[in-house]
Amino acid sequence: GESVGLHLPTLSVQEGDNSIINCAYSNSASDYFIWYKQESGKGPQFIIDIRSNMDKRQGQRVTVLLNKTVKHLSLQIAATQPGDSAVYFCAERTAGNKLTFGGGTRVLVKP
Amino acid sequence: SAVISQKPSRDICQRGTSLTIQCQVDSQVTMMFWYRQQPGQSLTLIATANQGSEATYESGFVIDKFPISRPNLTFSTLTVSNMSPEDSSIYLCSVGDRVNTEAFFGQGTRLTVV
Repeated sequence: GESVGLHLPTLSVQEGDNSIINCAYSNSASDYFIWYKQESGKGPQFIIDIRSNMDKRQGQRVTVLLNKTVKHLSLQIAATQPGDSAVYFCAERTAGNKLTFGGGTRVLVKP
Repeated sequence: SAVISQKPSRDICQRGTSLTIQCQVDSQVTMMFWYRQQPGQSLTLIATANQGSEATYESGFVIDKFPISRPNLTFSTLTVSNMSPEDSSIYLCSVGDRVNTEAFFGQGTRLTVV
């Protein structure tokens, strides 16, 4: 079976509740941030992005918050569903358009 | 969004052998990247595949171990050479464009070295 997420911190959420996933990034010069979702056996899937000149961006059921003062990024998922169970990674873009990934958080949605 | 196909999707290889992973994109892209995801870990950038020139490797990765080709704007290969069990990982191809900024990933190649 797929081993992604086995050693990552886990967030257990009741179906229908809101989820908040946090991420600390390292480079104050990063200008662009992305949240990815990785399901078992698949590559990372783009969820939402935010540029460094913004502090909040909303998508469908998801919101990303950026606090540049403390270099913190969060992803909020509204009304979490079983299909949201996955590993979530934040990534920051650094020089050369390269992405540096955070450690990841596994989200488990309980029925 | 770009559609990225990786081959093979998984393989089991003997130590000491080499495996070449292919990445095909359905459109021309400026930038292609190769990542490694070790079991239970996050993604680590191996190198940037440059069209028409040598790849740019990140600290800890060398060309002799991970030779990369990029003959055109839609295709790249990564070879994992002289494999050992420590090379067992998921290898992922990613594409990006400075204009669009989003980075898309292939489904990955799951490599097990025995």
